[in-house]
Amino acid sequence: AQSVAQPEDQVNVAEGNPLTVKCTYSVSGNPYLFWYVQYPNRGLQFLLKYITGDNLVKGSYGFEAEFNKSQTSFHLKKPSALVSDSALYFCAVRDGGAAGNKLTFGGGTRVLVKP
Amino acid sequence: EADIYQTPRYLVIGTGKKITLECSQTMGHDKMYWYQQDPGMELHLIHYSYGVNSTEKGDLSSESTVSRIRTEHFPLTLESARPSHTSQYLCASSRDGGLSTDTQYFGPGTRLTVL
Repeated sequence: AQSVAQPEDQVNVAEGNPLTVKCTYSVSGNPYLFWYVQYPNRGLQFLLKYITGDNLVKGSYGFEAEFNKSQTSFHLKKPSALVSDSALYFCAVRDGGAAGNKLTFGGGTRVLVKP
Repeated sequence: EADIYQTPRYLVIGTGKKITLECSQTMGHDKMYWYQQDPGMELHLIHYSYGVNSTEKGDLSSESTVSRIRTEHFPLTLESARPSHTSQYLCASSRDGGLSTDTQYFGPGTRLTVL
């Protein structure tokens, strides 16, 4: 079985400050990890993914995420947050050792960036 | 932006009506998915398809049904809508090729309200 936890329902940060959204996962095999962002009344937009290789993954809109195998974490980061980054963020995992392409999503973290 | 479309974007209907939510993609993806997103933001997989004439139930039990007659089209039908079906429905697709690393791309969603 695979699972994802996003421990924070909401993250508040001032514009220009660093932003971190936390994610931890559990899988039996190799983890394939994804981050998506959802703006109001929109579908999910793909930000970045980790499959293998460098633990630091760079994605869209200046976001990056660091894969930490020992801590089973894949936290999303942005060095300097913008008001326009205010949205809902979802972490997702797939077990690389399992057949199929089913993703398991975390419960989501709402990010509010204040001017 | 992914080339995946959902119609209608918003729908308000009365109890007992039959409805079909449309989902189409022009990326030639073999795999397609339906998710239900509840007011608490969590995403639940309700149906998926690995190709034409292939449909499977997802992790969350749903009274809806799906069909996959054409690669690009994956409609979801509710035979008799009830207030408990009120939710946001998200469609997604991904390539096949047996790679579980493939990214899922999402449509804009349909927000359904059943009175």
